[in-house]
Amino acid sequence: NAGVMQNPRHLVRRRGQEARLRCSPVKGHSHVYWYRQLPEEGLKFMVYLQKENIIDESGMPKERFSAEFPKEGPSILRIQQVVRGDSAAYFCASSGGQGNTEAFFGQGTRLTVV
Amino acid sequence: GESVGLHLPTLSVQEGDNSIINCAYSNSASDYFIWYKQESGKGPQFIIDIRSNMDKRQGQRVTVLLNKTVKHLSLQIAATQPGDSAVYFCAENNAGNMLTFGGGTRLMVKP
Repeated sequence: NAGVMQNPRHLVRRRGQEARLRCSPVKGHSHVYWYRQLPEEGLKFMVYLQKENIIDESGMPKERFSAEFPKEGPSILRIQQVVRGDSAAYFCASSGGQGNTEAFFGQGTRLTVV
Repeated sequence: GESVGLHLPTLSVQEGDNSIINCAYSNSASDYFIWYKQESGKGPQFIIDIRSNMDKRQGQRVTVLLNKTVKHLSLQIAATQPGDSAVYFCAENNAGNMLTFGGGTRLMVKP
């Protein structure tokens, strides 16, 4: 998958806690995308970021969810006050530029809310 | 809203046979499509892509066909192997590389 690193691979949180998911893109890639996947379903777009900017967050819930991609360090998807419905696999992808260029996916973080 | 979808949720084939996975899309303005393979517990893996100015593109053992008239996409896998067993997604690349995924087809290869 060309080096997109996500951690942790598995995350268990109790209802009401915060979840922080990290994504380090392929070296040199400045575009990061977060997707969410429920079991037996396709991936759903959440948010698209470039360094220090949110380009499109149309797929991300307005409440409790936030994302950032700072100048230094990984991209972070943050879910506050998690609920059982947040349980899913969250995938990050990165690409080198806008337009029709290949996006590489990480292995995902599987969030379980108990 | 417009979406990408698949006809068959599960496809079972004999090892060595050819596999065909189909996908319908509804956004006629889409100009770039990708097929991904996802194995259990892993992220989507790029297989092959095609742009709307093409009807066919071939890779190693895989071929993607695009029929813009009926908005249909297919993935053909030649001489299917057990390692091909996975869920296959077609995806439509929207502006800015945001992908709209179909629901997926599970390919099961019988030895």
